[in-house]
Amino acid sequence: EVQLLESGGGLVQPGGSLRLSCAASGFTFSIYAMSWVRQAPGKGLEWVSAFSGSGGRTSYADSVKGRFTISRDNSKNTLYMQMNSLRAEDTAVYYCAKERSGGLEVDYGMDVWGQGTTVTVSS
Amino acid sequence: QSALTQPASVSGSPGQSITISCTGASSDIGGSNYVSWYQQHPGKAPKLMIYEVSDRPSGVSNRFSGSKSGNTASLTISGLQAEDEADYYCTSYTSTGTLRVFGTGTKVTVL
Repeated sequence: EVQLLESGGGLVQPGGSLRLSCAASGFTFSIYAMSWVRQAPGKGLEWVSAFSGSGGRTSYADSVKGRFTISRDNSKNTLYMQMNSLRAEDTAVYYCAKERSGGLEVDYGMDVWGQGTTVTVSS
Repeated sequence: QSALTQPASVSGSPGQSITISCTGASSDIGGSNYVSWYQQHPGKAPKLMIYEVSDRPSGVSNRFSGSKSGNTASLTISGLQAEDEADYYCTSYTSTGTLRVFGTGTKVTVL
């Protein structure tokens, strides 16, 4: 069964850090681009970042650029998001999603999603 | 990169057809055929409904169809059913540095 399982969410103070993980199974993880998408409480979806399946290309939303770092370990079939300098506006459910393509210069959609992990930034 | 613009809400009666618009710019919708649509029920993860403007993944009902004209993409749901009541989001590839952008989202209500 194709599956994504996020973990690492929690409560963190403003200015703090958190690392999210997304464990993939049921497909050849290394060949697909992967994305993080978040949803603030009561709000819409916001694309956060993506990592290509090969070539190591990454991309970030302007709202997180310089604070968040996406990475992947293909030997562990796991995607990560290191989140630093967290702000209240980063509070959201964070979804990991598998893209249908390997590169970031095309967009064939995200066909597999995890259940999400909740990040709350508050003092 | 600003979010793509969608109507906040669209409603229709069972059996009717509705269309949700998604307006962007020449740097995103107008400049590529990489437009996708997602359905999200409350408390659930999004589900891919349409990719590359008008293609449906396996298992998605043919009541869902997509199109594009200029800088605006559209999702049409025909034969509206109660289970179609959900939030819908468009996305597009963008030639700006961010590469991906979501729409503002549309709540579909089945009357």
